Amino acid sequence: ETGVTQSPTHLIKTRGQQVTLRCSSQSGHNTVSWYQQALGQGPQFIFQYYREEENGRGNFPPRFSGLQFPNYSSELNVNALELDDSALYLCASSFYPEIREQYFGPGTRLTVT
Amino acid sequence: GDSVTQMEGPVTLSEEAFLTINCTYTATGYPSLFWYVQYPGEGLQLLLKATKADDKGSNKGFEATYRKETTSFHLEKGSVQVSDSAVYFCALGASGGYQKVTFGTGTKLQVIP
Repeated sequence: ETGVTQSPTHLIKTRGQQVTLRCSSQSGHNTVSWYQQALGQGPQFIFQYYREEENGRGNFPPRFSGLQFPNYSSELNVNALELDDSALYLCASSFYPEIREQYFGPGTRLTVT
Repeated sequence: GDSVTQMEGPVTLSEEAFLTINCTYTATGYPSLFWYVQYPGEGLQLLLKATKADDKGSNKGFEATYRKETTSFHLEKGSVQVSDSAVYFCALGASGGYQKVTFGTGTKLQVIP
């Protein structure tokens, strides 16, 4: 069974730039969720994708957007980066609607300067 | 909305000491409850879960019981090891139209030899 993978591991961007983060879900899972974890905080839910559509969204602005592909992999895009976007971005996969626990990837550390 | 409150850390214990990390929650409906663990520089790993009232989740010597009457899910371990040093997150999984996990702020555990 292949776990959740994310790329890249680390990324440094400049304020105002755009970034794309990638995630491959665990085999057998059909749902991908993205979380932002600021330093010293718990992860905050950004949004979830199921059947290639956004299935739920947290309190994040529209410049955070995503995609899910037919193979259930996913991308998180962030436009007009701000310094406060510096965080660990975690992708999690699950099987909707049967499995409530989510399995997390190792994360992408984004630094905005 | 849903929320999770867990005891603030850091918690410092000697090896073989008893561990309790308190967690309470607020949620509508019948959420699932989880403990996740995050080792330094890594993503989140599911430690244990409970899906209904009075369920006890257990794994690697850790236990937690879903108490609906007190809305609690306290994590316990009888004898901690240095390798248990990590950040522990209590979390709840929403019931409803989509899967969202709401996390507490995390409790850092340091076990000293």
